[in-house]
Amino acid sequence: GENVEQHPSTLSVQEGDSAVIKCTYSDSASNYFPWYKQELGKRPQLIIDIRSNVGEKKDQRIAVTLNKTAKHFSLHITETQPEDSAVYFCAASRGGNTGFQKLVFGTGTRLLVSP
Amino acid sequence: DVKVTQSSRYLVKRTGEKVFLECVQDMDHENMFWYRQDPGLGLRLIYFSYDVKMKEKGDIPEGYSVSREKKERFSLILESASTNQTSMYLCASNRASGRDNEQFFGPGTRLTVL
Repeated sequence: GENVEQHPSTLSVQEGDSAVIKCTYSDSASNYFPWYKQELGKRPQLIIDIRSNVGEKKDQRIAVTLNKTAKHFSLHITETQPEDSAVYFCAASRGGNTGFQKLVFGTGTRLLVSP
Repeated sequence: DVKVTQSSRYLVKRTGEKVFLECVQDMDHENMFWYRQDPGLGLRLIYFSYDVKMKEKGDIPEGYSVSREKKERFSLILESASTNQTSMYLCASNRASGRDNEQFFGPGTRLTVL
């Protein structure tokens, strides 16, 4: 089955710096890669996702890149702000366009942005 | 606005008790999921359901069962709770069709088994 590894487990940056979180996956058939953000005491929420037919996707200060050959994908946050402090989870699935997918999550990265 | 609710935020049970965790979604989603979240292990899938009365095992189904009698409700059952089932349990749901794959999570139930 699919296995997703996520690094680093913790990341501390200064406000305004960039943060990068990396994930690798094992199943070459995986084609959907979402990122979820979980603030302290809150539920996980989707912040960005990418499908295997594109290599990069941006949404304001966040971007995700995908390297299918190497089977890894990364989350990039620029101009970090204290409200970016949270746990970030990557995930992978091979669900296709039916919408049904079994997500396999990484172990999470705790990002701390210091003012 | 999608809403996924769980029956309890905190629950304390004793070893050997039968425990029911309930999840309700109000967006007519076909798919529903139960995860447990443990520090350093991320979210691990226990069971999922893609239709009423249909269920599939996830990655860690041992010690758990599920029930989906109505589309909006998905229950997780611990037949005989054990201390190693102390965890945060998260329910999620999403649509079965189209390109909107986002899973919407409930607030979680923190279960402690003594």
